[in-house]
Amino acid sequence: QKEVEQDPGPLSVPEGAIVSLNCTYSNSAFQYFMWYRQYSRKGPELLMYTYSSGNKEDGRFTAQVDKSSKYISLFIRDSQPSDSATYLCAMRNSGSARQLTFGSGTQLTVLP
Amino acid sequence: GAVVSQHPSWVICKSGTSVKIECRSLDFQATTMFWYRQFPKQSLMLMATSNEGSKATYEQGVEKDKFLINHASLTLSTLTVTSAHPEDSSFYICSGAQKSTDTQYFGPGTRLTVL
Repeated sequence: QKEVEQDPGPLSVPEGAIVSLNCTYSNSAFQYFMWYRQYSRKGPELLMYTYSSGNKEDGRFTAQVDKSSKYISLFIRDSQPSDSATYLCAMRNSGSARQLTFGSGTQLTVLP
Repeated sequence: GAVVSQHPSWVICKSGTSVKIECRSLDFQATTMFWYRQFPKQSLMLMATSNEGSKATYEQGVEKDKFLINHASLTLSTLTVTSAHPEDSSFYICSGAQKSTDTQYFGPGTRLTVL
């Protein structure tokens, strides 16, 4: 079993839809949770960063962390064609190594 | 946000040659840099972690004599793929992390093709 599970998709939605992306994990030591967006042939771009449980909102993006269920989500409101990309969840514990464990990524296409 | 650059963005080389990839943090000091490898439609696979002025720590299964990493300054790390072979063809991505924060900032990646 992988430490971080993420539905690879592909996920296709119409423009304006609300998108829900999710990851589950097994390591209860994870404390820091991130969502990255990666366009084709580009490096990942940090979208959201959350420490421990709770919600965080930034524009059209909302990140949720439920540590009791070991489940994190990213919601995208009013999705745009420019949101079409692969979304990677990532997480790490509080150790000094600061290494990230990534999900496999969900490929999202927003249709105009 | 913090910016990380990589050079070159793509490189094609002959089998048996060595290739150096540079990773620079442009507007912050990266006390730790990470090197990843990514195959098509797959997630990032961590290859090694390097702290400035120290030897890199390699992940299990990554040959340290083949993938030479140098982190000589707080803004520059290099990955040298020695005696490259076609199976080394991949997308190599670096990231940098500041001492004061917990987030990693990624470079744009380098696509290596070994003929």
